[in-house]
Amino acid sequence: DQQVKQNSPSLSVQEGRISILNCDYTNSMFDYFLWYKKYPAEGPTFLISISSIKDKNEDGRFTVFLNKSAKHLSLHIVPSQPGDSAVYFCAAGRSGNTPLVFGKGTRLSVIA
Amino acid sequence: GAVVSQHPSWVICKSGTSVKIECRSLDFQATTMFWYRQFPKQSLMLMATSNEGSKATYEQGVEKDKFLINHASLTLSTLTVTSAHPEDSSFYICSARPVRGSYRWTEAFFGQGTRLTVV
Repeated sequence: DQQVKQNSPSLSVQEGRISILNCDYTNSMFDYFLWYKKYPAEGPTFLISISSIKDKNEDGRFTVFLNKSAKHLSLHIVPSQPGDSAVYFCAAGRSGNTPLVFGKGTRLSVIA
Repeated sequence: GAVVSQHPSWVICKSGTSVKIECRSLDFQATTMFWYRQFPKQSLMLMATSNEGSKATYEQGVEKDKFLINHASLTLSTLTVTSAHPEDSSFYICSARPVRGSYRWTEAFFGQGTRLTVV
């Protein structure tokens, strides 16, 4: 049972436009959600997170939106830059020393 | 802050030999570390949860005798791939979460990963 789903394996966006990456989850017990960015042959790096009590969190070009009723979150990147090209993983977690649950990732390609 | 160092970054070994991968939290303590494996074009698959001072908890389908995990201190966990075979070739990534209540404790921090190639 896949608790965190990223249904789009890839996404191509023109430089300067908005990138929207989507993520759905099934477990209503998750307390917070995170987005990680991963380049080939490197470990994931933290990008932005949101607590389940909020519906929006913004950090520079990155904004994460959470719709709890729909169990859906999205990451908006605007404006998109070629350096944003990477695989983006959505992750969900619960309080305590439990592992994060990851989606399968979405490969974003930003075309100059 | 919150840096995780994983070593080595890449290793090539002969079939039948063992390989040890280290994961260190450099500036925070982690009672729990996690080991993931990533196959090409696939997501991060949790292999095991490593708890300081106790036995690791393995995910279903992961052979505990093949993937030995030791978490001897609050800053170090090791994964040893024993009697490695070509099918063990993969990208292994460790992750650590700061102890509850400490700086950025809700996040997980990742090592840079280890590319293992068994020939």
